Amino acid sequence: AAGVIQSPRHLIKEKRETATLKCYPIPRHDTVYWYQQGPGQDPQFLISFYEKMQSDKGSIPDRFSAQQFSDYHSELNMSSLELGDSALYFCASSTGTFAYNEQFFGPGTRLTVL
Amino acid sequence: DAKTTQPTSMDCAEGRAANLPCNHSTISGNEYVYWYRQIHSQGPQYIIHGLKNNETNEMASLIITEDRKSSTLILPHATLRDTAVYYCIALTGANNLFFGTGTRLTVIP
Repeated sequence: AAGVIQSPRHLIKEKRETATLKCYPIPRHDTVYWYQQGPGQDPQFLISFYEKMQSDKGSIPDRFSAQQFSDYHSELNMSSLELGDSALYFCASSTGTFAYNEQFFGPGTRLTVL
Repeated sequence: DAKTTQPTSMDCAEGRAANLPCNHSTISGNEYVYWYRQIHSQGPQYIIHGLKNNETNEMASLIITEDRKSSTLILPHATLRDTAVYYCIALTGANNLFFGTGTRLTVIP
């Protein structure tokens, strides 16, 4: 079965550079979520999209932006990178209904900021 | 979404049942109890969810108390591959997941 695809899997950037992470949801999933997991921490919600519109926003820094495109893939754009942005970034997708919202997670992108 | 409380860590012998408790005393009537787990650095994985009734699937069973203030996830025959951090999450609808501290389950050979 198709899974959530994230690219790249690993990314190394310097401070103050920019990075773009991509997420390809499972076909026919209409909702995409982004989570950030710092070293030794639990995943933290950043932002989500439903039918290409932003649906919820968590602890996403102003330096980050995201969007969902017409083909439902999503991109997380990160600018002015800081050392503290080094983390695993997970994308998840779902066809969430009120009674059932299983989120399928991708393998993550490991971002290292030097 | 309601706050949940879980023990920080637990051990379980391989082949035995692992019972992971979760307290969600402030859960509201329309909030479901979801369980996810994260095996080291992999993406979190859905296990099971329920509202009021006990639920069972191929991975686990979920027992919810009648007052819905607590629940227990049961892995009937734990294997080494079940070593992971288990998260109990209360949420409504298609909302984002709030991962609290979770329980680090270690299955011992």
